[in-house]
Amino acid sequence: DAGVTQSPTHLIKTRGQHVTLRCSPISGHKSVSWYQQVLGQGPQFIFQYYEKEERGRGNFPDRFSARQFPNYSSELNVNALLLGDSALYLCASSRLGTKADTQYFGPGTRLTVL
Amino acid sequence: DQQVKQNSPSLSVQEGRISILNCDYTNSMFDYFLWYKKYPAEGPTFLISISSIKDKNEDGRFTVFLNKSAKHLSLHIVPSQPGDSAVYFCAVMNNNAGNMLTFGGGTRLMVKP
Repeated sequence: DAGVTQSPTHLIKTRGQHVTLRCSPISGHKSVSWYQQVLGQGPQFIFQYYEKEERGRGNFPDRFSARQFPNYSSELNVNALLLGDSALYLCASSRLGTKADTQYFGPGTRLTVL
Repeated sequence: DQQVKQNSPSLSVQEGRISILNCDYTNSMFDYFLWYKKYPAEGPTFLISISSIKDKNEDGRFTVFLNKSAKHLSLHIVPSQPGDSAVYFCAVMNNNAGNMLTFGGGTRLMVKP
């Protein structure tokens, strides 16, 4: 079975631009979460979606938004990019999005903002 | 403020010996605790978890211990193998927050042959 896939793997943008990152969950998984991992730190929660509804939002500015599609894939959008947005963006999927439900992470998208 | 701390950024252990990775948390509302392992260029991989009603959970070479009074979590790997060399993250969940994970900063484990 295919794991969580993310695209693109790497991305370079300049300040002020907009970026869209994509995630396809494991087949049968209905929940997708997004995390930001800055170099040298642990991942930080951005959003969780379940059945196309936002279930949770972390402490990130409104420049960050996301959505989940009927096929359970998801997009993370970041507007007005700042240098500090440079990070590894991780997507995780789980069957039901509940506490004991194991989350499986994709390999991430490395975003560099110049 | 960091709610989850891994105070050792790195740990070096000889193959066959025990590796002990530690994690401290501040919020008593956390009631589910996990360890993830991360290799370079890969996403974190789930290792083992424990709920707050237990104080120990074992899975093969991996054992997680929870000390709720001290708000301390540890992962024991016995025996350590070179393939265990990776960054280990502890993560916690709040009982009111879906399955949102709050991660520590990670500990890089190096197992020497």
